[in-house]
Amino acid sequence: DAKTTQPNSMESNEEEPVHLPCNHSTISGTDYIHWYRQLPSQGPEYVIHGLTSNVNNRMASLAIAEDRKSSTLILHRATLRDAAVYYCILIFFTGAGSYQLTFGKGTKLSVIP
Amino acid sequence: DTGVSQNPRHKITKRGQNVTFRCDPISEHNRLYWYRQTLGQGPEFLTYFQNEAQLEKSRLLSDRFSAERPKGSFSTLEIQRTEQGDSAMYLCASSLGPQDRELLGTDTQYFGPGTRLTVL
Repeated sequence: DAKTTQPNSMESNEEEPVHLPCNHSTISGTDYIHWYRQLPSQGPEYVIHGLTSNVNNRMASLAIAEDRKSSTLILHRATLRDAAVYYCILIFFTGAGSYQLTFGKGTKLSVIP
Repeated sequence: DTGVSQNPRHKITKRGQNVTFRCDPISEHNRLYWYRQTLGQGPEFLTYFQNEAQLEKSRLLSDRFSAERPKGSFSTLEIQRTEQGDSAMYLCASSLGPQDRELLGTDTQYFGPGTRLTVL
């Protein structure tokens, strides 16, 4: 299964943009890139996903490199509520018509007031 | 939409005891997943159900672990003869699954708050 590499931690000032990088150099052509985040003492929460094109939703934007070997999650204005561990995940497809989310350690984002 | 719920939220037990956790997925979701998360690590996949059928099991799921989803709705995860190494957060997630199998990569999972197990 393809692996992802993320920085262990990042800091951001409140109300400033945050760019969270992810490297996935072994990505295959059909792998979707998913981002989840986990706030303290909560289960993970879906943020965004993409395949080739950049994606926007109400929570964030996802910028995918042209060669798809890296991607960046963009939070346009960080708030204190965005302090969480952010996971970049490549879906691992199994033979049973299903998939697994393979979480790494993620990036712990701290937001400074 | 009440989201995914898990009970209990916390469980403290003595080594050797059996414990059972319950997960109630989002009502129309036919896919259900169990994960385990230890301190400082990301969640690790344990098992997956599509409706009532358990289709995937991780090597992490030893013989002491058993999961069921008898009517394709709620699920239970039982750990027999608990060990201190079983102390972790047990997370449940559910998903709708894509209508088109080729779009499986677009499926998104909704997680519950987890059950934190402490084995003394």
